Amino acid sequence: EAEVAQSPRYKITEKSQAVAFWCDPISGHATLYWYRQILGQGPELLVQFQDESVVDDSQLPKDRFSAERLKGVDSTLKIQPAELGDSAMYLCASSFPTDTLNTEAFFGQGTRLTVV
Amino acid sequence: DAKTTQPPSMDCAEGRAANLPCNHSTISGNEYVYWYRQIHSQGPQYIIHGLKNNETNEMASLIITEDRKSSTLILPHATLRDTAVYYCIVRPHLTQGGSEKLVFGKGTKLTVNP
Repeated sequence: EAEVAQSPRYKITEKSQAVAFWCDPISGHATLYWYRQILGQGPELLVQFQDESVVDDSQLPKDRFSAERLKGVDSTLKIQPAELGDSAMYLCASSFPTDTLNTEAFFGQGTRLTVV
Repeated sequence: DAKTTQPPSMDCAEGRAANLPCNHSTISGNEYVYWYRQIHSQGPQYIIHGLKNNETNEMASLIITEDRKSSTLILPHATLRDTAVYYCIVRPHLTQGGSEKLVFGKGTKLTVNP
């Protein structure tokens, strides 16, 4: 069964350091999402891509976060510099367009980031 | 903000049906009801979605009221492995080429007891 792949699974970094997360969506999924989930809360969208273009990054803290999907396939989310408040689970998801039959978004296992 | 309201927690006995309610009184005509669940420390898992007709798959059944202002997710025979946070989400389907985001609320923490 196809899966959304994320790496690393866990990351510990010191504050002020740079950190990057990688996501490989399910083959053929044009839409890719990055979510952040703070402990005890539901996931919150950071950025959404349609192919290589950003569709929604309204909740992305652009002073320190960046995301790219250069060839419209895999994606990288970067934080520089990391702050203590960035400790969270970072989830990647992908889906077909919602004008198709199979519209559900599939999530990866996430990257658990701890900033110390 | 999430457009749904769910109870924060529920309990269910193993082997019994778990019925998880969701209110979405401001749902629009092109918005579907999606359900996801999240087992501790894992990514959310898709369960089921529907527009206005009841839906059933191998995991669950989704019952949507006629006015579409509320729905119920039914796990017919709950097991210990169904213990998770269940999220009810309304998501518009676009008419051409795009995918709308999933907006998560706080969900319902379902605990299945032995």
